Amino acid sequence: GESVGLHLPTLSVQEGDNSIINCAYSNSASDYFIWYKQESGKGPQFIIDIRSNMDKRQGQRVTVLLNKTVKHLSLQIAATQPGDSAVYFCAETVQKLVFGQGTRLTINP
Amino acid sequence: EPEVTQTPSHQVTQMGQEVILRCVPISNHLYFYWYRQILGQKVEFLVSFYNNEISEKSEIFDDQFSVERPDGSNFTLKIRSTKLEDSAMYFCASSGGIGNEKLFFGSGTQLSVL
Repeated sequence: GESVGLHLPTLSVQEGDNSIINCAYSNSASDYFIWYKQESGKGPQFIIDIRSNMDKRQGQRVTVLLNKTVKHLSLQIAATQPGDSAVYFCAETVQKLVFGQGTRLTINP
Repeated sequence: EPEVTQTPSHQVTQMGQEVILRCVPISNHLYFYWYRQILGQKVEFLVSFYNNEISEKSEIFDDQFSVERPDGSNFTLKIRSTKLEDSAMYFCASSGGIGNEKLFFGSGTQLSVL
């Protein structure tokens, strides 16, 4: 039978370019946010986190920006590589970790 | 690097049968979780477990579901009478922080109910 699922937003970028993945969260009381990367057939893998008292945090090739005014979170990946191809989920925490919809990032050679 | 391990990686069962999904969390972690992901959809929270009891559960986690930490290393999810709609990837996670910080996920068990 036909399977029904949510259509993931997709983003395609050229290898070496920068990518920005956006996420809107729902709960203004959320105080901790995480970006996870999920490769096909694997569990979510932690990328970077940020607390609500910050608006920017940088890691290796990744930067997370938090805009609490509009409840928006973004993940910037610099100089994308083929291994960055995956589904990226933002997650927010109040009392438990709640995942967003996910964005499928494809890196074109 | 320590990791969360899950077994089996795939489980096929008949509708109405009981299944037990097994997880070994990271050894010094204190908080344990089960999430599930239906194909193509987002990861959904099922239950969290701390100090040998459920700390929170979602509406998905009904009376057919139970969790147990039978010894110092394993954390299990039991589905008593599986339904077709239980087919999903089930992820175990653990954290060592104050509860919900930086969860580390296993690779999942793909459950197929026929």
